[in-house]
Order: sequence, then C-alpha cells, then structure tokens
Amino acid sequence: GQQLNQSPQSMFIQEGEDVSMNCTSSSIFNTWLWYKQDPGEGPVLLIALYKAGELTSNGRLTAQFGITRKDSFLNISASIPSDVGIYFCAVSGGAQKLVFGQGTRLTINP
Amino acid sequence: DAMVIQNPRYQVTQFGKPVTLSCSQTLNHNVMYWYQQKSSQAPKLLFHYYDKDFNNEADTPDNFQSRRPNTSFCFLDIRSPGLGDAAMYLCATSRDPLMRGNEQFFGPGTRLTVL
Repeated sequence: GQQLNQSPQSMFIQEGEDVSMNCTSSSIFNTWLWYKQDPGEGPVLLIALYKAGELTSNGRLTAQFGITRKDSFLNISASIPSDVGIYFCAVSGGAQKLVFGQGTRLTINP
Repeated sequence: DAMVIQNPRYQVTQFGKPVTLSCSQTLNHNVMYWYQQKSSQAPKLLFHYYDKDFNNEADTPDNFQSRRPNTSFCFLDIRSPGLGDAAMYLCATSRDPLMRGNEQFFGPGTRLTVL
C-alpha cells in the first residue's frame, strides 16, 4: 500500500532552536498536509499544500511541497515550549482517505 | 466556532461490555471518519461515511460498528471490547473531497480504557 517515510522519528532540541522534518513517498500526491498532535488531544491541521513547489507559512511554521510531488518538509523557527508534540505529515490517498507518516515526536529542553 | 466534538473524552468499560462513543460536527461536512490511535502511532482508519454511504476498511474487526443518523452525528459502537481495544478514538470530518484536497478536521478524541 501507499506509505510515507517521515523523519526524524524524534527530536530533542533546546528552546529557541530551529526544527526541520520531512516526509517522502515513492508515489506522486497532489496534496500534502501537516498536523500537530498535543498529548491527549486530536491532531490539528497546521498547513495544507496543494501545488508542487508551493512554500506556505503559518507564523513560525513553514512548509514546502516538493517539486517532484513526492516529498514535503516542515520547518519551525525559534522553537518554544508549546511546540512540543507529535507532528504528522499526510497525503490524500484516494477515496476520501488520508495516508499518514509515522510521526515526528518533538521534545524541547528549556 | 465550527468544530468537531467528541463525547465522552474519557470512557472506562469492562471487558466484553458494549460501549458507544459519539461524535458531532457543526461544520456541515459530508464525510465523517473514525480512527483508532495507539501509543503515539499514526491514526488508523476504521471506517468512514460519505453522506449516508458507509465505507469499512478491510482490516477493521467486526467488533466495531458505526452509525450516522444524520449529517451532524456519528457513533462508534464496540460490541465486545477486548483489552486490545484500549486506545484513543478520533473522529474527523472533511468536506466533499472533490472540492478540496481532503483536509480532515479532528475532534479531541475519546480515550477508552478496558478493564
């Protein structure tokens, strides 16, 4: 089936550092989504990307849809404690479904 | 604010005792989904409704059923919960995916404990 490879699986950083994570696929997709999940809560949509090469920002977050349509990255600048959580990439897998990456767990040391 | 609401947030049930989780939405979205999520893994799709059409995933156990009586509400029924069914259950919605790239909006989840 369709699979996304998300890396890194976990990150341990100092507050104030920048963060970068990415997702790759062997298939082409027309939509890339990035979600954040806080402990004990549901995922929240951060950024949606619809066009190859598109670069979109949401506050300190920036995400890009790869030119090949097989990858995407998410950057967080100047991390703060509330950025802690698990970040998931997702693509539209057809038939109204999403395919998720394995997630990147972000831990921030104050 | 338009949103996806799940009740209860925490549910404790006994082994084999039927349980129902509920989801409601004020977004007026066509599609409603139920996911199971364990131990910080990615959410796993159980089934979804596109309007009244029910779509079951091939690997969803028969123990899991769903009902969607109207656009706003969707229920997850677990007929005989086992210890392995303890998990976070997430409800999500999306508009008609033909109009947009299937952005899904999640509720806060229900944490199910099976004793």
